[in-house]
Amino acid sequence: NAGVTQTPKFQVLKTGQSMTLQCAQDMNHEYMSWYRQDPGMGLRLIHYSVGAGITDQGEVPNGYNVSRSTTEDFPLRLLSAAPSQTSVYFCASSDRRGLGNTIYFGEGSWLTVV
Amino acid sequence: GDSVTQMEGPVTLSEEAFLTINCTYTATGYPSLFWYVQYPGEGLQLLLKATKADDKGSNKGFEATYRKETTSFHLEKGSVQVSDSAVYFCALLKAAGNKLTFGGGTRVLVKP
Repeated sequence: NAGVTQTPKFQVLKTGQSMTLQCAQDMNHEYMSWYRQDPGMGLRLIHYSVGAGITDQGEVPNGYNVSRSTTEDFPLRLLSAAPSQTSVYFCASSDRRGLGNTIYFGEGSWLTVV
Repeated sequence: GDSVTQMEGPVTLSEEAFLTINCTYTATGYPSLFWYVQYPGEGLQLLLKATKADDKGSNKGFEATYRKETTSFHLEKGSVQVSDSAVYFCALLKAAGNKLTFGGGTRVLVKP
């Protein structure tokens, strides 16, 4: 019963380094998205995808890239990490059945940029 | 744009006390409303949801009623336990998919 799987769970990066946060879901969901969580600000949408080959920007996309080559995977790339990207990152997925559909979240990835 | 406002925490309670966390929203149309919970060191879990006006969501002793006239979705529990200590997020969803708009979160600490 995997659901939404994120890796790594913890990562420390140096400023300027690049890395990819992995997200995979095994529920055949069309919709996937990435959020970042910062104290007092809730979760904010970074990028989202409504299906393989389709991505779009959310509220805070700068500094992040995404791609969706398969239905299952939705990696988030930090091209040149900055301290402002220190945050907790959550991947989410859902199907397209309407407003009552349940959105599943991964367990989060704690990223520190020094 | 859409927004969700929650009462700021932390909220500190004694075990068996009554808990209310206020949540109000601003959105056009008819959003669905959600409460998520995040236990220490863990990810987000859906606690309850309501998809239309006057719906009541409930789970694990928690309840929230979708009030369109006051644009509110306040979370309540009649008797909290230490295990309810967590951060609670109110959120809205306007379109099919998963573009949620979250409130800032309310940390709740329940003491024995």
